[in-house]
Amino acid sequence: DIQMTQSPSSVSASVGDRVTITCRASQGISNWLAWYQQKPGKAPKLLIYSASSLQSGVPSRFSGSGSGTDFTLTISSLQPEDFATYYCHQSNSFPYTFGQGTKLEIK
Amino acid sequence: QVQLQESGPGLVKPSETLSLTCTVSGDSINPYYWSWIRQPPGKGLEWIGYIYYTGSTYYNPSLKSRVTISVDTPKNQFSLKLNSVTAADTAVYYCARHPAATGKFDYWGQGTLVAVSS
Repeated sequence: DIQMTQSPSSVSASVGDRVTITCRASQGISNWLAWYQQKPGKAPKLLIYSASSLQSGVPSRFSGSGSGTDFTLTISSLQPEDFATYYCHQSNSFPYTFGQGTKLEIK
Repeated sequence: QVQLQESGPGLVKPSETLSLTCTVSGDSINPYYWSWIRQPPGKGLEWIGYIYYTGSTYYNPSLKSRVTISVDTPKNQFSLKLNSVTAADTAVYYCARHPAATGKFDYWGQGTLVAVSS
């Protein structure tokens, strides 16, 4: 199985800050990488797919980059509604796997 | 607007079979892939497996011996069966859609909590 490792596991930030979350795959996955946002009690919401493509309806302050084994999710200017847990997900090979999550908290 | 809704018992006894159905509205089951994903309380996400509208499946090897996913195209539904459950199978179970060759789960159900307990 491909292991997905996110860092940090948690981060504290303030409204207006720029935040970057990293996801590393245990082997190359080309650009088969997606990012999801999950709020308590809710289903994950797709933000980014194919490493850098913004899902329709997602604010442009979210961006993704990377290829191969190293990927990043950047939120350019944090808004109050962005405080949540973020997961990366690889679909390069079976079984599909997710990172362990990064919890973004208010400082 | 595509909507997915999970349904099924919220409590299952150990060693019995967990059965859930996902009803899709707002679009057809074909020509998409449909997955089940679960999340134990306070933990991360685990992909269980998928079914294509044609009926072909792929299961996570960690659960393969206990999982069956099926599709009912006329009803626009697909289902999950997980047998011989234990407390470790207690989780919120989500159904999700993923269009072919996109690598994304673009629509999710709200999730349903299934507890395994006697």
